[in-house]
Amino acid sequence: DIQMTQSPSSLSASVGDRVTITCRASQSIYTYLNWYQQKPGKAPELLIYVASSLQSGVPSRFSGSGSGTDFTLTISSLQPEDFATYFCQQSHSTPRTFGQGTRVEVK
Amino acid sequence: QVTLKESGPALVKPTQTLTLTCTFSGISLTSSEVRVAWIRQPPGKALEWLARLDWNDDRVYSTSLKTRLTISKDTSKNQVGLTMTNMDPIDTATYYCARISRKDAFDIWGQGTMVTVSS
Repeated sequence: DIQMTQSPSSLSASVGDRVTITCRASQSIYTYLNWYQQKPGKAPELLIYVASSLQSGVPSRFSGSGSGTDFTLTISSLQPEDFATYFCQQSHSTPRTFGQGTRVEVK
Repeated sequence: QVTLKESGPALVKPTQTLTLTCTFSGISLTSSEVRVAWIRQPPGKALEWLARLDWNDDRVYSTSLKTRLTISKDTSKNQVGLTMTNMDPIDTATYYCARISRKDAFDIWGQGTMVTVSS
């Protein structure tokens, strides 16, 4: 199975900050990488697919980059509604696997 | 608008079999290229992919859980089911069904159903 490792596990930030979350795969997954946002008590929501494509309806302050084994999710200017947990997920191989999550908290 | 909704027991006893149902609305399971997955999340922990069912009836399972899982569909009810045998307290989690998009991402999720395994 492909292991997905996110860093950091949590971070504290303020509204307006630029936030970057990293996801590393245990082997090359090309650009088969998706990002999700999850708020407490809610199901995850798709933000980014195939590493850098913005899901319909997702604000443009979210962006994704990377290929191979290293990927990044960036929030250009953190908004109050962005405090949540973010997960990466590879869609290169079965079984699909997720990162352990990065919690973005209020500083 | 496509929506998914999970249903099933909130509490099961150890060794029992869990049966969950995911009901689709807004799209027919007989539509071409409809693919569905089950994913779970223990309290405070990460997401874990469990199984996938493709429009052509191909089924794929988690490596570690495949001996305990069965994914199925009932097109007459527009539902996808998941059974998990020999439940253990470690299986306590919120169980989600999700649609798999053409770009192989989970683009639509159900609200989730919390299952507690306890005697």
